[in-house]
Amino acid sequence: GEDVEQSLFLSVREGDSSVINCTYTDSSSTYLYWYKQEPGAGLQLLTYIFSNMDMKQDQRLTVLLNKKDKHLSLRIADTQTGDSAIYFCAVSLPYSSASKIIFGSGTRLSIRP
Amino acid sequence: DTEVTQTPKHLVMGMTNKKSLKCEQHMGHRAMYWYKQKAKKPPELMFVYSYEKLSINESVPSRFSPECPNSSLLNLHLHALQPEDSALYLCASSQGTGWNTGELFFGEGSRLTVL
Repeated sequence: GEDVEQSLFLSVREGDSSVINCTYTDSSSTYLYWYKQEPGAGLQLLTYIFSNMDMKQDQRLTVLLNKKDKHLSLRIADTQTGDSAIYFCAVSLPYSSASKIIFGSGTRLSIRP
Repeated sequence: DTEVTQTPKHLVMGMTNKKSLKCEQHMGHRAMYWYKQKAKKPPELMFVYSYEKLSINESVPSRFSPECPNSSLLNLHLHALQPEDSALYLCASSQGTGWNTGELFFGEGSRLTVL
């Protein structure tokens, strides 16, 4: 089945950029997503990228997709304390009508003052 | 209204109890999902309903029984659970129609403890 891998932890200084990386195995993924989960809460979609795109920028967030290497990254510019959370990479598998979305293990981002 | 509402937020049950988790959305979405999330782990897909019909069952034990009474409601009936079933159960919905990004909208989850 589809496998989505992420590093478990990332610690950055406040104001620096954070880069969270993800690799996946299924090249037929149509959409790739980044979700954010704060403690005790559900998941919130941060951004997504369509599989025929290389890059997407959305305010402080930049998503890069390397389809050849099956590598996805999320860059958060000017990281703030409010960015502390778990970030999940996710990929959608081709499926009729509904979405079959598989999540990576999640990267816990902590911010140092 | 872009909310997915789950009740109860917390549930404690014994292994012989029967209980239900409920989920509701009023975004007109036609696909609804149950995910299970253990501590420090990613959400794992359990069930997908599309147009009120069960379309995916990820080999979930029969002690979990999903139900989709209408396009806005999704239930998860629980019976004879085991302590290892303790987890956060997340409901989600997606548009499920036409060309869309497949984005999932998640509820806050129901935290289940099985004693």
